[in-house]
Amino acid sequence: NAGVTQTPKFQVLKTGQSMTLQCAQDMNHNSMYWYRQDPGMGLRLIYYSASEGTTDKGEVPNGYNVSRLNKREFSLRLESAAPSQTSVYFCASRGGNTEAFFGQGTRLTVV
Amino acid sequence: GESVGLHLPTLSVQEGDNSIINCAYSNSASDYFIWYKQESGKGPQFIIDIRSNMDKRQGQRVTVLLNKTVKHLSLQIAATQPGDSAVYFCAESDTGRRALTFGSGTRLQVQP
Repeated sequence: NAGVTQTPKFQVLKTGQSMTLQCAQDMNHNSMYWYRQDPGMGLRLIYYSASEGTTDKGEVPNGYNVSRLNKREFSLRLESAAPSQTSVYFCASRGGNTEAFFGQGTRLTVV
Repeated sequence: GESVGLHLPTLSVQEGDNSIINCAYSNSASDYFIWYKQESGKGPQFIIDIRSNMDKRQGQRVTVLLNKTVKHLSLQIAATQPGDSAVYFCAESDTGRRALTFGSGTRLQVQP
C-alpha cells in the first residue's frame, strides 16, 4: 500500500519555465491537498479538492493551477516559475475530518 | 540536507526527560486537532489527534491536551529518545472547512 506518491522528488527550473507536479493516492480518499513549506514556516495550503470534480483556493494560490484528474490524482501546475516558488511541495489526502496522509515531498528550486 | 525549520523555535531536552510542545490556535470553530512529526527530508507523519469533545488523549509515550477555553493544544512526550528529534507541527480543522491549517512548528532536539 503506497499511500500518497509524489513525482518528481527533485526539480530545478529556470525562471519562466513551466512544470506539473504529480500526486496520486491509493486510499480512496475524497479530499486531496497541495501545501508548500518554506524554511522556518509551517505548511501553507495552496489548493485543495474536497471531492472529484471540485477544486478550491487555499491560502497561497497565486502562480499555481490544479487539476483533479480523477479520484486518485491531483496535479499542481506552475505556468511560469518564479524564484519565490522555490519551496518544498507536499501533497496530502484525507478521508474525512480526520488525519491527512502526506507524500514525501517535491523539492523545487527556481533559478 | 533539508533546510526546513531553520528559524523555528527549538526545545532542547535531555534523553529520558519528558518534553512538552505547545501550540495556540485561533479558530473557535475548530473541532479536530492533530500533531505531526516531520523528520529531515520527509513528509509529516501522524502522531496523535483529538476531537473537541475531549480534553486529553493518550497514545504510546505521547499525550495530547486540549484547552478550548484558551485555544491551546499541547503534546507531551514521555521519556524522550534521540529518535524523537524532529520538527513537530500542530494542525486543526473544523467540519465545515475541508483542509488542515498548520501551526509554525517547534524543533525538538534530544541531547544524549
